[in-house]
Amino acid sequence: AQKVTQAQTEISVVEKEDVTLDCVYETRDTTYYLFWYKQPPSGELVFLIRRNSFDEQNEISGRYSWNFQKSTSSFNFTITASQVVDSAVYFCALSEAQTGYALNFGKGTSLLVTP
Amino acid sequence: GAGVSQSPRYKVAKRGQDVALRCDPISGHVSLFWYQQALGQGPEFLTYFQNEAQLDKSGLPSDRFFAERPEGSVSTLKIQRTQQEDSAVYLCASRSQGFGNTIYFGEGSWLTVV
Repeated sequence: AQKVTQAQTEISVVEKEDVTLDCVYETRDTTYYLFWYKQPPSGELVFLIRRNSFDEQNEISGRYSWNFQKSTSSFNFTITASQVVDSAVYFCALSEAQTGYALNFGKGTSLLVTP
Repeated sequence: GAGVSQSPRYKVAKRGQDVALRCDPISGHVSLFWYQQALGQGPEFLTYFQNEAQLDKSGLPSDRFFAERPEGSVSTLKIQRTQQEDSAVYLCASRSQGFGNTIYFGEGSWLTVV
């Protein structure tokens, strides 16, 4: 069963629009970690943010913000005023005890930002 | 180096050939992971090391896949008798001590089996 679901396969926006990437996860552990990674065309996975299950405080970092809600098992990611350089595939991932805290990735959301 | 280093970056292998992919993790990182990423898919877990011990190899797709980390640093992923379905990007990642710490990835080794 898919533990991390990213329902949006592809999103296309025009530069300067805001865009939210959805992530829903499934776990029975009480201690777990959630991550967002960005994968540009070059292929390297770039770490964006990590949250532990006890920290529901949402955060804004520059143009990025995150909304972690345990009640709905969601960990959504928003880019404000998108730029062409934001074009990439974005992966949400879950790390939990039963998998030795390895990352379990969603299938990714491909974001295209056009000028 | 500062990041996770993988070699070769690109490898074309004839079907049936053996290949070896190398990963040099971030210095001091005790955990090392291998992932396989097929085109258009998310990375899939292959195996995990804590120092030199291979704690989980449940993701290795067949007994043709073998990974080792004999001295707890550099790791090698070996694929024997490659098949076309092995074509993928193989990503190595490492993490410092602590389960919740960030896992950092290398640029990957792009394997094409022809």
